[in-house]
Amino acid sequence: DTAVSQTPKYLVTQMGNDKSIKCEQNLGHDTMYWYKQDSKKFLKIMFSYNNKELIINETVPNRFSPKSPDKAHLNLHINSLELGDSAVYFCASSQESGPQYNEQFFGPGTRLTVL
Amino acid sequence: GENVEQHPSTLSVQEGDSAVIKCTYSDSASNYFPWYKQELGKGPQLIIDIRSNVGEKKDQRIAVTLNKTAKHFSLHITETQPEDSAVYFCAATSGNTPLVFGKGTRLSVIA
Repeated sequence: DTAVSQTPKYLVTQMGNDKSIKCEQNLGHDTMYWYKQDSKKFLKIMFSYNNKELIINETVPNRFSPKSPDKAHLNLHINSLELGDSAVYFCASSQESGPQYNEQFFGPGTRLTVL
Repeated sequence: GENVEQHPSTLSVQEGDSAVIKCTYSDSASNYFPWYKQELGKGPQLIIDIRSNVGEKKDQRIAVTLNKTAKHFSLHITETQPEDSAVYFCAATSGNTPLVFGKGTRLSVIA
């Protein structure tokens, strides 16, 4: 009964390829996120998305695009992978409808290695 | 935008001792301050949070304090145990923007 799940857990690919990471949450939350954690453990928001709005961190290259087929899923597509994209990517979700910020639940992460 | 500074980056304590991690934030509009624990190979997990209408919150061996005037908040872990060893992140938000995380503190509890 995993709350936030991601697939795959590990992804090794060549530079220039296009890849996707899938995320699903079964918590009924209305907002989902993608974070990038680099080798120094820095956690940076890439996207936040609910059924009303996609907020993009302006530092994220447009090679990265989130796609949400429904409220429970937010997949991350990456085009033309570069060496610097190697990192651990975390999906998260929270219930944000209303004025109060609430706990974010994180997935187990996907370790992406670009060769 | 919000900027969160976290110190120290690494912390080693003897089992049973206390550990304190400190964070400062820049946006006076921030009103929600969570702390996350990340164990090796796992995603961050919320351990405690505090909102701006309180100055302190405690949950068993974990406590968080908030000083809005000085714009800093701290995590206190008492009677540390080896299983407390992990990376801890503080974060802040005003609610209108996504969480901004500190750079993390690697805590090692030595048995």
